[in-house]
Amino acid sequence: AQSVTQLGSHVSVSEGALVLLRCNYSSSVPPYLFWYVQYPNQGLQLLLKYTTGATLVKGINGFEAEFKKSETSFHLTKPSAHMSDAAEYFCAVSVPYSGGGADGLTFGKGTHLIIQP
Amino acid sequence: NAGVTQTPKFQVLKTGQSMTLQCAQDMNHNSMYWYRQDPGMGLRLIYYSASEGTTDKGEVPNGYNVSRLNKREFSLRLESAAPSQTSVYFCASSSYRSTNEKLFFGSGTQLSVL
Repeated sequence: AQSVTQLGSHVSVSEGALVLLRCNYSSSVPPYLFWYVQYPNQGLQLLLKYTTGATLVKGINGFEAEFKKSETSFHLTKPSAHMSDAAEYFCAVSVPYSGGGADGLTFGKGTHLIIQP
Repeated sequence: NAGVTQTPKFQVLKTGQSMTLQCAQDMNHNSMYWYRQDPGMGLRLIYYSASEGTTDKGEVPNGYNVSRLNKREFSLRLESAAPSQTSVYFCASSSYRSTNEKLFFGSGTQLSVL
């Protein structure tokens, strides 16, 4: 079974600074990887996903993530943090061609991103 | 542009009471899901419906039942609420049951069981 670990339940950065949210996964086969964001009092929305092809994936709101198979990582970055980026971020992993769907998606426990003015 | 709509947004129950959480999507999606979110636990799947007429258990189904009423609607029922079911509940949908499909989430129901 696959699993995902998000390092740091809370990350605090200054406005304008680099955002780096860490995600490591465990999977017996090359996985599909996702980052979802949850703004206060809202449901989750997809930021970006990696399925196949280019390992650097660009998402919405200036975020990107790089799939590194050798490090089993899919860290999320943004060059310059904005106050509106304050939210909860979830990394998730699924196994391709498993015959399932989002029922086979495993979410990390989340990282709360705090932006200091 | 409603997307996924959940009702109610907030609910307080006493132990042993029952209630139904409603979910509807207007995107003509085939698959629908119920999750619960607890602090430090991420999201855990309760039940899902791959397509109209089918439902299956997820990771934490005990104490819950579901009904896929039609393609649009997927309800979650607590027959006898317990304090351990205090949580935030999210409904989600996707076009198809595929491992790379994007999930669309509702805004959640905050449930407290006293």
